[in-house]
Amino acid sequence: AQSVSQHNHHVILSEAASLELGCNYSYGGTVNLFWYVQYPGQHLQLLLKYFSGDPLVKGIKGFEAEFIKSKFSFNLRKPSVQWSDTAEYFCAVKGTGRRALTFGSGTRLQVQP
Amino acid sequence: DGGITQSPKYLFRKEGQNVTLSCEQNLNHDAMYWYRQDPGQGLRLIYYSQIVNDFQKGDIAEGYSVSREKKESFPLTVTSAQKNPTAFYLCASSIEGAAAFFGQGTRLTVV
Repeated sequence: AQSVSQHNHHVILSEAASLELGCNYSYGGTVNLFWYVQYPGQHLQLLLKYFSGDPLVKGIKGFEAEFIKSKFSFNLRKPSVQWSDTAEYFCAVKGTGRRALTFGSGTRLQVQP
Repeated sequence: DGGITQSPKYLFRKEGQNVTLSCEQNLNHDAMYWYRQDPGQGLRLIYYSQIVNDFQKGDIAEGYSVSREKKESFPLTVTSAQKNPTAFYLCASSIEGAAAFFGQGTRLTVV
């Protein structure tokens, strides 16, 4: 079975602060990893994905994530957040042989101006 | 425009009634999925389909049913057997090995 843990449920930051959201997964084989974002009132959008190659992946809006295989982690980072980054962020994993994504419980990010 | 259309956006149902949520995609994706989103629980997989006329149960399939008669369509029926149906339902589609695209969702409320 595959599972995903997001330990930060609610994060509050001021504008220009740095962001790191944790994501750990459990799966014994090769994985594809994703971060999705859900802005208030909008549909779920893909921020970035890792399939193979360089473990540091860059996504939209200045976000990046690093895959650390030894730690089963795929943390999301942004050097300087903006008020418009206020949203809910979901980490997801799809293991080889699995047919669908498994999501974490999500992290609600609130950026204060 | 290519995308996934879910309808309706809001749906109210009386207890004991079945209700069907629509999901249509024009992305020519083979795979389609239904997830349920509850506060603090993330998205949980209800059903998925890799190909027309075939579908598989996800982690929380009890009380739900689906059909996949056309590539473009993957409707979800919430039956009266679902004990706690009030939730936000998300439909998604993908091609093999790629990220999933999501619809806008349907918020179902049982009254």
